[in-house]
Parts: sequence; structure tokens; C-alpha cells
Amino acid sequence: DTGVSQNPRHKITKRGQNVTFRCDPISEHNRLYWYRQTLGQGPEFLTYFQNEAQLEKSRLLSDRFSAERPKGSFSTLEIQRTEQGDSAMYLCASSSNRGWIGGYTFGSGTRLTVV
Amino acid sequence: AQSVTQLGSHVSVSEGALVLLRCNYSSSVPPYLFWYVQYPNQGLQLLLKYTSAATLVKGINGFEAEFKKSETSFHLTKPSAHMRDAAEYFCAVSDREGYSTLTFGKGTMLLVSP
Repeated sequence: DTGVSQNPRHKITKRGQNVTFRCDPISEHNRLYWYRQTLGQGPEFLTYFQNEAQLEKSRLLSDRFSAERPKGSFSTLEIQRTEQGDSAMYLCASSSNRGWIGGYTFGSGTRLTVV
Repeated sequence: AQSVTQLGSHVSVSEGALVLLRCNYSSSVPPYLFWYVQYPNQGLQLLLKYTSAATLVKGINGFEAEFKKSETSFHLTKPSAHMRDAAEYFCAVSDREGYSTLTFGKGTMLLVSP
């Protein structure tokens, strides 16, 4: 197992374009989380999946954001009509059902720059 | 509702000195508490976690933290700092109920000078 994998590592896009990020969790983890981290801040929760079901969404997740996890495996996070305020590091994490026991394993993140 | 406050956005120590990074939490239910470290342009690596066993928790790289319920604190310490410890450190809390999502503090940058 190579841990949580995120692609791409970096993405530069023009304002108004759509972008999609991918996260491949640890294979035996059935929970998957997306976080956003802006400069000087801690990660902020965006959304969470248990298997293929999206169970919780933060108020930070505007209508321009959509996340999917088909078949409970990898997940994608899409941002439509990007804005400069979307520039951030997007982190994916996965855990077992009892995340507090095994901990949450984070990927290296995708850094988005909107110009 | 849960929250984490990390006192001090930056902490500077000399190599070999004691490291103390402060974390206070607020949680309506008994918490699980975590410390993560983040090196530049990397994801978060788990240092240690408190899950209601021993209140003094030992982690990787010589770090440890003590859960103090009466003070709602979970401060991170290391007896002797190394240059390689220079990084950003995040304290996080998770409920024992619900979906167990993590709520992070704003982070503390640890600077280590020779």
C-alpha cells in the first residue's frame, strides 16, 4: 500500500475554468475526506464519504464544488467556474470506520492556483 | 461543536532546547485529540493521538503530549529540538460520536536555530 495518492500535485488555471482533482485512498479504508488549506490556516473540512455515500458537506462547499466517490474507491473533487479565492491546497484523507483508532492518513495534496 | 486553539503562530527554539507547542480544545463530548506535522509542500503526517487510554501519549520523533481534561489542553513537547523538527504543527480534535471528522487549529510554525 502506497498510502493516499492525490493527482495532480499542482494545478494552475485561469479564472472561470473548471478543474478536477483525484484522490486514491488506502484500499482498506472506507471513509474518505476532503479538506482545504489556505495560507496560514489549518485544514478546513469540506466533505466526507463513507464508501460511495457522501454523508456530510461543509458550508464551505459552495454550489460550484462537487465531489464524487463512485463504487467507494477513488474520489474526485470538481470546482466549476474557478475564482481566485479557490486558490488553496486541497487535501484528501482516508480512514477506517473508527478513524480515531487508526488515525487519518493524508495525501500530499493538490495545490491549486487560480490566475 | 468542537474547536481547537493553538497559542502562538510561531515558536522559535535553539537546537537542543525544549519544545512546547500549546493546544487547547473545546468539545461538547469526550474528544479524540491529534497532533500532525506538515513539512513544506507536503501533506500531514500523524505525530501522535489521544484516544482515551493513557493521558500521556508518546509519538514519533521523540514527541509526546499530555491530555489534561481539567485544563482542556493537549500540549505537545519534545525534550531536545533538532533542526529537522522545523515544520508546521497542527492540533486537531475529533468527536467520539457522529462522523469523526477532524477539526484543526490554525497551526504553529516551529523554527529551530543552530
